Amino acid sequence: QVQLQESGPGLVKPSQTLSLTCTVSGGSISSGSYYWSWIRQPAGKGLEWIGRIYTSGSTNYNPSLKSRVTISVDTSKNQFSLKLSSVTAADTAVYYCARDSYYYDSSGYYLLGPAIDYWGQGTLVTVSS
Amino acid sequence: QTVVTQEPSLTVSPGGTVTLTCASSTGAVTSGYYPNWFQQKPGQAPRALIYSTSNKHSWTPARFSGSLLGGKAALTLSGVQPEDEAEYYCLLYYGGVVVFGGGTKLTVL
Repeated sequence: QVQLQESGPGLVKPSQTLSLTCTVSGGSISSGSYYWSWIRQPAGKGLEWIGRIYTSGSTNYNPSLKSRVTISVDTSKNQFSLKLSSVTAADTAVYYCARDSYYYDSSGYYLLGPAIDYWGQGTLVTVSS
Repeated sequence: QTVVTQEPSLTVSPGGTVTLTCASSTGAVTSGYYPNWFQQKPGQAPRALIYSTSNKHSWTPARFSGSLLGGKAALTLSGVQPEDEAEYYCLLYYGGVVVFGGGTKLTVL
C-alpha cells in the first residue's frame, strides 16, 4: 500500500521560502495515472488545495497561490516537493502531501474519475521570526 | 474566485440518516466536477470516502453513499454511528484546478 511522508523545516521566517518534500513508498511515483498534490490546513480551518504535479512535470496550481508556488518531482528519489516563496504568518498551517489518482472501470478503458485517495500524516509549518 | 459551499454544521441521532451537500458558485454541480468526499477527525489527516460522485473506495463503510441532489453533490450517511462524528469535506475538480468546500462539522447526539 502506498504511503506518503512529508518532511522539512517546521519553522520558516517571514519573507523566506517554505520548502517541503514528500517521500512516496510502497510504489513508484512514476507508475500509473497519478498526480501528486499538496494541500494545507491552517489551525481550526478548512482544507486548501495548493497544487499538483504529474510525473511528466505538468503542473496545476491554485490561482490564488500560483505566483508563489513551485511543485517539482524527482522520480529517482520517489519524491516530490513544494516551494512557497515570500511567506507570511497566513501561510502557517499543516501541510499535507497526497496522491491524486485517476480511476478506471474494470475494462480499463472507461474513466470513472479522479480521486485524492492517499494522504501523508501532515507536517506543521509555522511562519514566525 | 470559485467557492464551494457546505453546511457549516449538522446534528444527527445515532442510527439516523443525514445528508451533507456541496454547492458550486459557478452553478449546478454535475458529474463532470467529479465530486470527492473526505472525513477528518481531530488531529488526523483526512480520509477519502467517495470519488466521482458516488464511487466508494475499498475502505469506505457501506453506510456512506454519494449522489447528485438538486444541483449539488451530496453525501448521505445511513445508520449513523457515534464514530461518524467528524468534519466532512467535499472537493470539486474545475478542469485541472481543485477546490475544497469549507467543511461540515457533523455531530452525533
